[in-house]
Amino acid sequence: DGGITQSPKYLFRKEGQNVTLSCEQNLNHDAMYWYRQDPGQGLRLIYYSQIVNDFQKGDIAEGYSVSREKKESFPLTVTSAQKNPTAFYLCASSTPKGQNLNTEAFFGQGTRLTVV
Amino acid sequence: AQSVSQHNHHVILSEAASLELGCNYSYGGTVNLFWYVQYPGQHLQLLLKYFSGDPLVKGIKGFEAEFIKSKFSFNLRKPSVQWSDTAEYFCAVTDIGGYNKLIFGAGTRLAVHP
Repeated sequence: DGGITQSPKYLFRKEGQNVTLSCEQNLNHDAMYWYRQDPGQGLRLIYYSQIVNDFQKGDIAEGYSVSREKKESFPLTVTSAQKNPTAFYLCASSTPKGQNLNTEAFFGQGTRLTVV
Repeated sequence: AQSVSQHNHHVILSEAASLELGCNYSYGGTVNLFWYVQYPGQHLQLLLKYFSGDPLVKGIKGFEAEFIKSKFSFNLRKPSVQWSDTAEYFCAVTDIGGYNKLIFGAGTRLAVHP
């Protein structure tokens, strides 16, 4: 079945460590997004990518990094520079500007990251 | 900068009451508008969307929303809520004239009591 797969579902990290969250999609979508969801703050955009080898900072990119080497994959690294990394992280994909703009984003099940 | 405001953070209703959730966005160009819903323990699902045409759009489960361009608003409505509508609702906007950035509001948590 087509969809977006995020792994792992739960992740624990020690302070000072980097950790990478996986996001894979088989929807043939060009655009991919990473959001952070905190209670009362909705979904805040961390990074987004419209095509392979291109990505843009969102509203809260500090302490995070991404790569987009393949169309299907958009991993997010939470670095030790992120001061408050404990959160629920959501990955999404859609079609980009210039290619059938009228589509919605599809979401993965999310990864809950806890810093211990 | 592009932003989305949802006016109600928490709404409590009894079954059969009518619902209206406010959403305003700040972007002067052409936009696509969405409402997503997140039921407890589940992932985000699309409720409805507006791209163009009739500003009154119908979604799943009896929801509808009206796009009022002059007010930069996209309010969500349902004439009669059910207990199963208990969820968190998110308004979202894509600036299709820009970089196709998808921005969400802070969400509205709806609790429906039997």
